[in-house]
Amino acid sequence: GQNIDQPTEMTATEGAIVQINCTYQTSGFNGLFWYQQHAGEAPTFLSYNVLDGLEEKGRFSSFLSRSKGYSYLLLKELQMKDSASYLCAVLDSNYQLIWGAGTKLIIKP
Amino acid sequence: GAVVSQHPSWVICKSGTSVKIECRSLDFQATTMFWYRQFPKQSLMLMATSNEGSKATYEQGVEKDKFLINHASLTLSTLTVTSAHPEDSSFYICSARADRENQPQHFGDGTRLSIL
Repeated sequence: GQNIDQPTEMTATEGAIVQINCTYQTSGFNGLFWYQQHAGEAPTFLSYNVLDGLEEKGRFSSFLSRSKGYSYLLLKELQMKDSASYLCAVLDSNYQLIWGAGTKLIIKP
Repeated sequence: GAVVSQHPSWVICKSGTSVKIECRSLDFQATTMFWYRQFPKQSLMLMATSNEGSKATYEQGVEKDKFLINHASLTLSTLTVTSAHPEDSSFYICSARADRENQPQHFGDGTRLSIL
């Protein structure tokens, strides 16, 4: 079966750095997405990785290792507004998007 | 860019009513649109995938006759919840994707549906 694992919940402090991990086992791989979803709102696109390595976009970076079936989202200089759920999703060989359950990130002052 | 508009954002209606939700891609052509539902504190659940001009593909367990999807143009898809009942109350979210399959899905703001 297809499976995406990410921690259910994480807590971090304002101004700090947090790394949200995602591991996947899918039938094929055509890329991995990270989305942010604030409570009661729809997801917004953050990043897409299809090649190994780190993609940096402002305070957010996303890393991929295809051989390990592993990705992480790194958030720097945390702000209170970063409190949200972060969803990892993988495109499988049929270009079906497989969603993780999401990681709820709580930022404390 | 990549703006998706979903309307209405909030619906309250009586049991037995049919409700139509619209999803529009405003600044790109959406070859494929997706409809999701999400219960509180739960993951997104894909209901169906629609391609412009063809019938929608429904996920297992989703009733086609209950949730009617029409994708009549490259910028508009509609979901009609027919004869809605309280158990259909949920957060419905559409997303749209441009023509390449590895493009990200861009989401509308969602529709909160409450059936009394």
